[in-house]
Amino acid sequence: GENVEQHPSTLSVQEGDSAVIKCTYSDSASNYFPWYKQELGKRPQLIIDIRSNVGEKKDQRIAVTLNKTAKHFSLHITETQPEDSAVYFCAATYTGGFKTIFGAGTRLFVKA
Amino acid sequence: EAQVTQNPRYLITVTGKKLTVTCSQNMNHEYMSWYRQDPGLGLRQIYYSMNVEVTDKGDVPEGYKVSRKEKRNFPLILESPSPNQTSLYFCASSLWQENSPLHFGNGTRLTVT
Repeated sequence: GENVEQHPSTLSVQEGDSAVIKCTYSDSASNYFPWYKQELGKRPQLIIDIRSNVGEKKDQRIAVTLNKTAKHFSLHITETQPEDSAVYFCAATYTGGFKTIFGAGTRLFVKA
Repeated sequence: EAQVTQNPRYLITVTGKKLTVTCSQNMNHEYMSWYRQDPGLGLRQIYYSMNVEVTDKGDVPEGYKVSRKEKRNFPLILESPSPNQTSLYFCASSLWQENSPLHFGNGTRLTVT
């Protein structure tokens, strides 16, 4: 069945460093890849998304890249700050199945 | 304010006692869905609905029921809860499923003893 693998499960960086989270999806028909941030005790919220006809998208310190051939997509956070500490989920939406499949999540710690 | 509202936020119950978690959205979204969140497993889809009276199973539907009688409401029903349904539940909605982000409710933490 459809699957999204996310790595690493835990990531610890120093404030100001960059953080990269990687995901792999299984169904080549998926065409929408959102990233959600979940702070402790709160709901997941969209931080950035990318569609299959785009290879890269950037929003201030956050960027997402997509390699459709390899079925990989990645989240890049530059100049990390303590408030970036949270759990990040990647997801893939599968056409025709009306499903969003989530990765298992990455817990990011940004040390001040 | 555009939002998805879930109730209750916390619920402790006993095995076998039927319960309903309500979900309502005020954004006129066609698509609504329920997820459960468990450590190390991410968010897994329970049921989803494309529109009124149209529902379908997600990846983990066993032990759950849903209904979509009105566009804004999508309650999750546990007819006979069991301890393995102890989890954090999220309702979400979107304009349409493809190429549209999910808007999540604040979650319901359910404990079944």
